[in-house]
Amino acid sequence: GDSVTQMEGPVTLSEEAFLTINCTYTATGYPSLFWYVQYPGEGLQLLLKATKADDKGSNKGFEATYRKETTSFHLEKGSVQVSDSAVYFCALSDQGRSGGSYIPTFGRGTSLIVHP
Amino acid sequence: NAGVTQTPKFQVLKTGQSMTLQCAQDMNHNSMYWYRQDPGMGLRLIYYSASEGTTDKGEVPNGYNVSRLNKREFSLRLESAAPSQTSVYFCASESQGDYGYTFGSGTRLTVV
Repeated sequence: GDSVTQMEGPVTLSEEAFLTINCTYTATGYPSLFWYVQYPGEGLQLLLKATKADDKGSNKGFEATYRKETTSFHLEKGSVQVSDSAVYFCALSDQGRSGGSYIPTFGRGTSLIVHP
Repeated sequence: NAGVTQTPKFQVLKTGQSMTLQCAQDMNHNSMYWYRQDPGMGLRLIYYSASEGTTDKGEVPNGYNVSRLNKREFSLRLESAAPSQTSVYFCASESQGDYGYTFGSGTRLTVV
């Protein structure tokens, strides 16, 4: 079945450092890929998405490129801020398998802690 | 504000008690979902409703029931709560073809 593997956290960085959170996936079809962010005490929010190979999703300074050849969707940001401290979830939705409901498969989440 | 509203935000139950978690969305989304989130386990799908009038089991449905009351509302019921159901529960909705969920802020449930 489909699966998503994220690097384990926590990832601890100083403000203005470069961020990479690795995400790889396995899927039988042609999935869409997502990154969600969860701030403390809140639900998940969609951060960015990419729906086909070589697409780049971007939002709030975060970027991720859909790499079909390496089955990866790594999240990057050039200069993190304290306010980026949160848990980040990689997810995929295999449209062919789940039909109209597009049920995603989530990774286990990576905690990011940014120090001033 | 548009979005997904969950009630209650916090709840403590005794083993064997029952309760219903409420979820409502005002975005006219077709699909709605219930997840639980446990430390180290990520998100696990309990039940989902692809459209009004339909419900299906997810990964961990045992001990739960759901009702899709109308297009806006999707409730989750625990008939006889167990300590293993202590978790944070999230409701989410999606407009089919729009990719990406909108999540509620969660219900933190403790069963003692």
